[in-house]
Amino acid sequence: AQSVTQLGSHVSVSEGALVLLRCNYSSSVPPYLFWYVQYPNQGLQLLLKYTTGATLVKGINGFEAEFKKSETSFHLTKPSAHMSDAAEYFCAVSAGNSGNTPLVFGKGTRLSVIA
Amino acid sequence: DSGVTQTPKHLITATGQRVTLRCSPRSGDLSVYWYQQSLDQGLQFLIQYYNGEERAKGNILERFSAQQFPDLHSELNLSSLELGDSALYFCASSVGSGGRAETQYFGPGTRLLVL
Repeated sequence: AQSVTQLGSHVSVSEGALVLLRCNYSSSVPPYLFWYVQYPNQGLQLLLKYTTGATLVKGINGFEAEFKKSETSFHLTKPSAHMSDAAEYFCAVSAGNSGNTPLVFGKGTRLSVIA
Repeated sequence: DSGVTQTPKHLITATGQRVTLRCSPRSGDLSVYWYQQSLDQGLQFLIQYYNGEERAKGNILERFSAQQFPDLHSELNLSSLELGDSALYFCASSVGSGGRAETQYFGPGTRLLVL
């Protein structure tokens, strides 16, 4: 079965500092990977996704993630944190080998940005 | 705004009762997914409908059922409610049948509190 592990349920960074949110996946087939963000009292919004091709994926709001097959990782980064980045971030995998594969989510990482 | 709407936003009910959550997908999307988000279980996939037919089933209890109507809106029915059913229920939609690369667009959720 596919699974996702997000290291660190809570990450705190200073405004302007690098954001690094870690995600490792387990999959028996090549995975498709997603990062979603959830702002307070809102639904999930797609930040970026990796399907095939270039392993460095750029998303919205200055975020990017790199797929590393050898490390089974898909860490999310942003060079400079803004206060508005404070939210919960979810990594997800769609890794079934059928034509229909619902998402499997990690537990989430809450990002706090300190002024 | 993802274009996915969910009603009601909040629901408070008692144990043993039955409730219905409603979801309208984005215009043109044929698939609807239901997820449950709780503190202990995280985000878990419940069920998917595609163009009126059940497409995939996840960790959905027998007390729960769903359907998708000809106008493509969907309803999630929760019966014989227990305290542990208190959670945030999300609906998501996608354009096709749920292929691995498809982006799912999430609604704002319905927060259910069972007392």
